[in-house]
Amino acid sequence: EPEVTQTPSHQVTQMGQEVILRCVPISNHLYFYWYRQILGQKVEFLVSFYNNEISEKSEIFDDQFSVERPDGSNFTLKIRSTKLEDSAMYFCASRERLAGRLSDTQYFGPGTRLTVL
Amino acid sequence: KQEVTQIPAALSVPEGENLVLNCSFTDSAIYNLQWFRQDPGKGLTSLLLIQSSQREQTSGRLNASLDKSSGRSTLYIAASQPGDSATYLCAGGKAAGNKLTFGGGTRVLVKP
Repeated sequence: EPEVTQTPSHQVTQMGQEVILRCVPISNHLYFYWYRQILGQKVEFLVSFYNNEISEKSEIFDDQFSVERPDGSNFTLKIRSTKLEDSAMYFCASRERLAGRLSDTQYFGPGTRLTVL
Repeated sequence: KQEVTQIPAALSVPEGENLVLNCSFTDSAIYNLQWFRQDPGKGLTSLLLIQSSQREQTSGRLNASLDKSSGRSTLYIAASQPGDSATYLCAGGKAAGNKLTFGGGTRVLVKP
């Protein structure tokens, strides 16, 4: 069964460094999302992406964050200058499009655990 | 702004008992509601999605109901098994394609 994949599974970085988290959504899916979950807290929405542009972003998604779909398969989240509070599990999700009507189920990847020291 | 709450935060039941997991939301203009399972340190596995026009969805031992007027969804798991031990999350979407707003989850332990 097709699934969303994410790499790396765990990333450790120093405060102030740039990180890029990678996701390969399910092929033929057209909507892509990033969420994050700080340890012990709720999963929270960061950004949604469709047709090569951001369709919605949260207050968390400030100028330090960016997303890109550099080719037909990858979807990346870049954090320009990491802070301690960016430590979290980052989840990528994707959603398909069926016969002109969007299928609403979002499928999540296994996550990347980001640790900022 | 949509707020999603799940009570209780943790639940322990003996094997074979039926599980009832609650999810409440503040904005009745919900478009759909999705239930997920999360195992420790793992990603989110989609279990069921209910559209706002539906009252329930079923998949195997799982049944989810949605009552927009009362702002509640319930996930029933029949004849629980130790393998059902996990955290269950509900999340509401406000419009097609829109972000999901998550509850805090209910951590379930099914004792053999």
